Formats: sequence, structure tokens, C-alpha cells
Amino acid sequence: QVRLEQSGAEVRKPGASVKLSCRAFGYSFTTYGVAWVRQAPGQGLEWMGRITTHTGDTDSAQSLQGRVSMTVDTSTRTVNMNLKNLTSDDTAIYYCARVGENYGLDVWGRGTTVTVSS
Amino acid sequence: EIVLTQSPGTLSLSPGEGATLSCRASHRGGANYLAWYQHKPGQSPRLLIHSGSKRAAGIPDRFSGGGSGTDFTLAITRLEPEDFAVYYCQYWGTFGPGTKVEVK
Repeated sequence: QVRLEQSGAEVRKPGASVKLSCRAFGYSFTTYGVAWVRQAPGQGLEWMGRITTHTGDTDSAQSLQGRVSMTVDTSTRTVNMNLKNLTSDDTAIYYCARVGENYGLDVWGRGTTVTVSS
Repeated sequence: EIVLTQSPGTLSLSPGEGATLSCRASHRGGANYLAWYQHKPGQSPRLLIHSGSKRAAGIPDRFSGGGSGTDFTLAITRLEPEDFAVYYCQYWGTFGPGTKVEVK
């Protein structure tokens, strides 16, 4: 079964960093990229960035550049996303998603809740 | 960077009615990278349409996508109870703000 499994909920203080993981099952891992999308409470979907799994190349949203990084471990079929210098504005549900045809995100993880609070 | 706007912000309709949602891009980018998603509270988003007009796997044919240039649409014929949700368009690495389709 094609699926993405995400790591569990996190709570951080302002200024800290958080690392989320996303493990892929049921498909040829390096054939597809993985994107990260988040949704803050009461807000819409926000694209964070994408990693090409067979090269490790990344691109990220301008608004997050310098704070977000993504890595891939092909041996465990896992993509990791690290976000640093957290503020309360980073409180959100973070989704990973498979990048399918023409950038359509065709498989989604269940999401990881990150809460930033002092 | 493309900016997407969606209209209307909210659409109030009854089951069985049709819906037309609009997505406008700030400049031309081609329909190839235009996608539509359905998002319900407590669930992950669901891809409906990719490449402008191709239905994703398992999506019923009452959903259709179209448009070109800077103007794109998602049409839903005969709304079913499970179709009431928020709909987002996406172009490459940008999402629109969403259209909420609610029960009238």
C-alpha cells in the first residue's frame, strides 16, 4: 500500500529547532520527490519546499529560506525536514506529500502537529 | 513567483447543485502545473485534479478541471454531502487561499 508515515507531535519553545520525518512505503522511493506543506490554525495550505529523493536537491519557499532544510536517507526511505529559529507563527500541522505528475501532490501523510509555545 | 487568487471565498450551496470555483494566477504559467485539492477538517488534503484537467486516481467524474493562461476552474456537478469542504488550487510551489464550499 502506498503511504507516507510521519513522526509524532512535537512541542518546542521559541528559538528552538524541530526535525520531522516522513517514511515512504509501497512505491519506488527515488522515482518521486517529497514536498512539505503546512497549515497553521485557521489558515490555508502553505508550501514549504521539496526534495528530489534521488539527488537530494532541494528548493524551499522564499519566506522560509535560511530556516528550513530537508534531507533524504534512501536506505530507510525517509525524508527529514528541519525548521530552526521557531516562533509561535510556526505552530501548525506539517504534512509531507509525494510529488507526482506535474507537481501534483498525490499521496499525503497524516500530518504532524508542531506547537511552539513558551 | 506566481500568486494565486481564488474566488469566491465561500460558496453556499445545497446538495445536488453544481459548483464552479475559480483560480486566477498573477501571470501566465501554463495549465500543466495547475492542481486542485479538497481538504476536510481533521483529514489530509486530497488531490482531485493535476496537470490542469486530469483527474487523480479514484476521483469521481463529477469533478472536472479546466482553463488556460491565467484563469482556471474546478467544476463540481451535483454536489454530494461529502463534497462540502475547502478547495485549494496549486501552481508548482504556491497554493491559493482556498474556497470553502458550505451547505446552504
